[in-house]
Amino acid sequence: GENVEQHPSTLSVQEGDSAVIKCTYSDSASNYFPWYKQELGKRPQLIIDIRSNVGEKKDQRIAVTLNKTAKHFSLHITETQPEDSAVYFCAASPNTGNQFYFGTGTSLTVIP
Amino acid sequence: DTEVTQTPKHLVMGMTNKKSLKCEQHMGHRAMYWYKQKAKKPPELMFVYSYEKLSINESVPSRFSPECPNSSLLNLHLHALQPEDSALYLCASSSPRVGRINNEQFFGPGTRLTVL
Repeated sequence: GENVEQHPSTLSVQEGDSAVIKCTYSDSASNYFPWYKQELGKRPQLIIDIRSNVGEKKDQRIAVTLNKTAKHFSLHITETQPEDSAVYFCAASPNTGNQFYFGTGTSLTVIP
Repeated sequence: DTEVTQTPKHLVMGMTNKKSLKCEQHMGHRAMYWYKQKAKKPPELMFVYSYEKLSINESVPSRFSPECPNSSLLNLHLHALQPEDSALYLCASSSPRVGRINNEQFFGPGTRLTVL
């Protein structure tokens, strides 16, 4: 089955700096890669996703890049703000079913 | 309606109780999921229903029993739980994969379960 690894597990940045979170996956059948933001006590919220036919996608201050050959994808947050503080999860979904495999999560703290 | 709703928000139960968690969505999604999430850990898949049929059971103990009465509703029946089952239980839904195209998955707010 699919195995998703995520790094780093914790990340602290100064407000206004950029944050990068990286994930790797093992199953070449994975073709959909969402990123979720989970604030304390709340549900995981889909913030951006990318499909395997695209190398990069951007939405305002957040962007995701995908390298299919190396089987890794990354989340980039620019001009970070305190409200970006949360746990971020990457996931991979193979084209063989409806399952989503999650990374272990990154706890991001943006210091004002 | 673009939300997944769950009830109750909080549940405290003893090890001999029987209770049920409920999930509802009206987005026309035909895949629905139950996840268990411990603090600071990723969601852990329990069950997947596709077109009201159980398609994935991730070796979950029989004290958890899922039910999908119709395309909008998903239940999780609980019986004889253990304290280690205390967690946040998340429901999610998505459009089932069409061909080789996977679709976004949306989560409900969860039920915070405490087993005494």
